[in-house]
Amino acid sequence: KQEVTQIPAALSVPEGENLVLNCSFTDSAIYNLQWFRQDPGKGLTSLLLIQSSQREQTSGRLNASLDKSSGRSTLYIAASQPGDSATYLCAPNTGNQFYFGTGTSLTVIP
Amino acid sequence: DTEVTQTPKHLVMGMTNKKSLKCEQHMGHRAMYWYKQKAKKPPELMFVYSYEKLSINESVPSRFSPECPNSSLLNLHLHALQPEDSALYLCASSQASGAPYEQYFGPGTRLTVT
Repeated sequence: KQEVTQIPAALSVPEGENLVLNCSFTDSAIYNLQWFRQDPGKGLTSLLLIQSSQREQTSGRLNASLDKSSGRSTLYIAASQPGDSATYLCAPNTGNQFYFGTGTSLTVIP
Repeated sequence: DTEVTQTPKHLVMGMTNKKSLKCEQHMGHRAMYWYKQKAKKPPELMFVYSYEKLSINESVPSRFSPECPNSSLLNLHLHALQPEDSALYLCASSQASGAPYEQYFGPGTRLTVT
């Protein structure tokens, strides 16, 4: 079974900092990997989808990278803002299902 | 339209009640999913429907009964639940399962079992 770990579990940074969230997974036979954001008590908002053949995917201030062979993905957030405060989840897709990581809880302090 | 809708937003039910959760999407997706999420934990997959047929049941207790009446609609029927079933129930859809497609999530139903 796919095991997904996210480091750090929690992160608190001042506004304006660039930051990196890490995701590692045990089974490299994935189709793609999706990064989500979740606000407290809410559903999941898709941020980026990176296919197994891609190395990077960018959307605005967000950049996700994927190293499938080593089972790692990173989410880079540039110039963080208080509105970025949320839990960030990575989810590698093995085909039939997505396996969710434990999440990184991000707080951006104004 | 990339929206998945879920009703109701909140549900409180007793252990002897029968209730249903509803999920709808109009993106033409042929795979739909139910997840359960406890506080401060990641979502856990419960069921996958592919082309309106149940393809994955992650050993979910029979007090949860999924139904997919058509390609746009997914229900989760609840009966004789336990307090530990209180959680956020999330529905998702994708173009197909077993393939590299993006998942879209609904806002969830917050269920409290008393």
